[in-house]
Amino acid sequence: GESVGLHLPTLSVQEGDNSIINCAYSNSASDYFIWYKQESGKGPQFIIDIRSNMDKRQGQRVTVLLNKTVKHLSLQIAATQPGDSAVYFCAENIRAAGNKLTFGGGTRVLVKP
Amino acid sequence: DTEVTQTPKHLVMGMTNKKSLKCEQHMGHRAMYWYKQKAKKPPELMFVYSYEKLSINESVPSRFSPECPNSSLLNLHLHALQPEDSALYLCASSQDQGNTEAFFGQGTRLTVV
Repeated sequence: GESVGLHLPTLSVQEGDNSIINCAYSNSASDYFIWYKQESGKGPQFIIDIRSNMDKRQGQRVTVLLNKTVKHLSLQIAATQPGDSAVYFCAENIRAAGNKLTFGGGTRVLVKP
Repeated sequence: DTEVTQTPKHLVMGMTNKKSLKCEQHMGHRAMYWYKQKAKKPPELMFVYSYEKLSINESVPSRFSPECPNSSLLNLHLHALQPEDSALYLCASSQDQGNTEAFFGQGTRLTVV
């Protein structure tokens, strides 16, 4: 999801359900795509990354999917827990652009008990 | 120790003041970053230091002046700021520049009056 103006896209999820957070990107030159989680009052925290030549990568309770055809990235969280409530940002790293980490829009995830 | 420590947590300064933000990490990381984050927006990269040398300056106004005294410390000197510079300033570090896993501090909430 892309943030627009002052409003963050919000995903409300029932505790125990799976969450899917989406991100569209425009730069085909990205070498890595990354997901970060930012809880209220804290700095962003690394979740998982995926190299641009891969389609899928799994971590603990999380899966990242990359569809280069439609330039789409998603983060799936299995069995969502209250501690997963946060803003999730997709990010990219482009070696040719100076190897810098650039963040995209965020999505707020609210976990309902 | 996987912490990035930022001080102060909050700062209120006048437009004629000079202040400094400080950041410290003891993970042996050789890349350190300053990001600026406005409410409900993603972090925006300001500066990157690699091996204590300025590697990237994202066309940041000269009223922001970064300094890297040694491999563990990163400062951001502020002078003659404007109210629109009010934001959360985040420091981060990573093993090397371009590493996708960056460790962020909690940030300094800056208000310019």
